[in-house]
Formats: sequence, structure tokens, C-alpha cells
Amino acid sequence: DGGITQSPKYLFRKEGQNVTLSCEQNLNHDAMYWYRQDPGQGLRLIYYSQIVNDFQKGDIAEGYSVSREKKESFPLTVTSAQKNPTAFYLCASSPGLAGGAQYFGPGTRLLVL
Amino acid sequence: EDKVVQSPLSLVVHEGDTVTLNCSYEVTNFRSLLWYKQEKKAPTFLFMLTSSGIEKKSGRLSSILDKKELFSILNITATQTGDSAIYLCASTTQGGSEKLVFGKGTKLTVNP
Repeated sequence: DGGITQSPKYLFRKEGQNVTLSCEQNLNHDAMYWYRQDPGQGLRLIYYSQIVNDFQKGDIAEGYSVSREKKESFPLTVTSAQKNPTAFYLCASSPGLAGGAQYFGPGTRLLVL
Repeated sequence: EDKVVQSPLSLVVHEGDTVTLNCSYEVTNFRSLLWYKQEKKAPTFLFMLTSSGIEKKSGRLSSILDKKELFSILNITATQTGDSAIYLCASTTQGGSEKLVFGKGTKLTVNP
């Protein structure tokens, strides 16, 4: 089945630890995105990538890093520099510059111990 | 700064009621407006609107865009408890970045 998968479903982070959230898609989409969702805040864009080996900062990139070595994969690392990482993280993909809606993965909920 | 505003933020209705959710936008180089439904997890795509005045319909849901007044509405007729969700509105811009700017969402609760 075509779609977007995220793992893990829940992730616990200790103080000072870097953690990586996985996002994979088999839709052959060029563009991929990471959003953070907090209660009452809507979705805010962290990073996005329109093509392999290229990515841009979104509105709240500080404390996060990404890579796009393969078209199918866009992992997000939450670094120790991100002081308030507790949130619901959503990955999305879209056909890219050709237009079209973004489609979302099931999300990862990150909690700080 | 691009901005999308949704209203109301929260709405409680009874089954069978009709609801209208509002979304206004101030976006440079507007391309399209999208509606999503979010229940527990991932937002699911409902509609993408690019042209003014053309209604898009899917079952009991419909949506329309007004590019002159810079807003869109999402209508749900004969609401059911399964319609309870957060409804998100987002805009995209022309010029290649394909970024979505989201509103904060409208939380709809449909009581039996």
C-alpha cells in the first residue's frame, strides 16, 4: 500500500539527549515536510525538502536537524538544543513543485523524561 | 507575514445540525487553500480549492473559496458524532516553496 509511515509512535527523551524521528514514504513524492503540533497552536513548519540532498528551514527550525539522502526518507533529529521538545510531530509529503495537497503520516508523540 | 485565521476555535452542536466553519487568509502570492480533518492522529485531506466560486463537495461536506474577500467556508450538513474532529485550514503560495501555512483549527464536537 502507498503511504507515509512514521516511527516510533511514542518516543521518550532524556535531558541532553538527541533523538531521531523516522519518516518514510512510497508515494514517489518529491517534497517532504516536518511539522510540530502543540495544543492550541495549529501546525508549525520545522523543515522541508523539495528534492534529495536539499532542505530548507521552516518557521521553527532551531534545535532540529534533518537530512534527505534518499527520496523516500526524511528523518528529523531533535537535538539537546531544543529546550521544549514535548509535542506531536507530523511528517508530510507532496508531489512538490507540480502542486497538490500534502499527505500526512500518523505522527510521533515525543515526551521528555 | 502570511497568516491564516480560523473561526470559531471551538463549536459544539447536536447530531443533525448544519455547521459552517470559516477560514480567512492573508497570503502573498496565494495559490490554493486546503481543508483537513484531524481526529486522533494525522490530518486527512478533504479539499483543495484554487478557483473562486466553485463549490467542492464530498458527501455531507462542501467547501467554497472567495478569492476577492480572501476566505473559505467548510459546510457540514446533517452532522454525525463521527464528524467530531479538529478541522484545519491551510494556504499554499505560488513561487515554488509549496509551504503550507496553517490556521489554528476549529474543534468541532457533535453530541448525540
